[in-house]
Amino acid sequence: NAGVTQTPKFQVLKTGQSMTLQCAQDMNHEYMSWYRQDPGMGLRLIHYSVGAGITDQGEVPNGYNVSRSTTEDFPLRLLSAAPSQTSVYFCASRPRATEAFFGQGTRLTVV
Amino acid sequence: AQKVTQAQTEISVVEKEDVTLDCVYETRDTTYYLFWYKQPPSGELVFLIRRNSFDEQNEISGRYSWNFQKSTSSFNFTITASQVVDSAVYFCALSEVRRYNDMRFGAGTRLTVKP
Repeated sequence: NAGVTQTPKFQVLKTGQSMTLQCAQDMNHEYMSWYRQDPGMGLRLIHYSVGAGITDQGEVPNGYNVSRSTTEDFPLRLLSAAPSQTSVYFCASRPRATEAFFGQGTRLTVV
Repeated sequence: AQKVTQAQTEISVVEKEDVTLDCVYETRDTTYYLFWYKQPPSGELVFLIRRNSFDEQNEISGRYSWNFQKSTSSFNFTITASQVVDSAVYFCALSEVRRYNDMRFGAGTRLTVKP
């Protein structure tokens, strides 16, 4: 089992560019989510999904889109990157009522 | 709304000292889960423990122990005889059962253990 796989690990974008962060899990977990980690702020929830075709907003959803067409994949789209979106992004999956399993993270810099 | 507060931003100890990391949470639900995660310098998030709101029994795992007190809405984490390898950022998190996927994290406590 690979667990939760995030790609890319590092990315530099110019302001205004768009990109998709990929997340895939092979554990057949219902729930998937995206977090961003910024210094002194812990992990903040961006978007989450409770199953294929169902997504919802977290604490900081502005500037991001998600979709969940399959159980395995949960991509995060930045529509028009801004310097404020410079952060480390973590994807997580979990079955019901247990701990979340996290990917290795994507370090994104927007210049 | 659910909220997790880790008031200690940074803690520095010398090896073999005991250290307690504080976690205070807020929730209106009666059924919820609490978690601790460790983030070592390499950056990955490592799960340490899960506790549900109906289980107030303290837990010990080697040098790690957790004290859950609903009366004070706290879920504190103690490392006994700390080691340099314990140096990391530690996060406490809360998940309300009715909102399974909305796991909220505290800001984290950076622990530095000096040799």
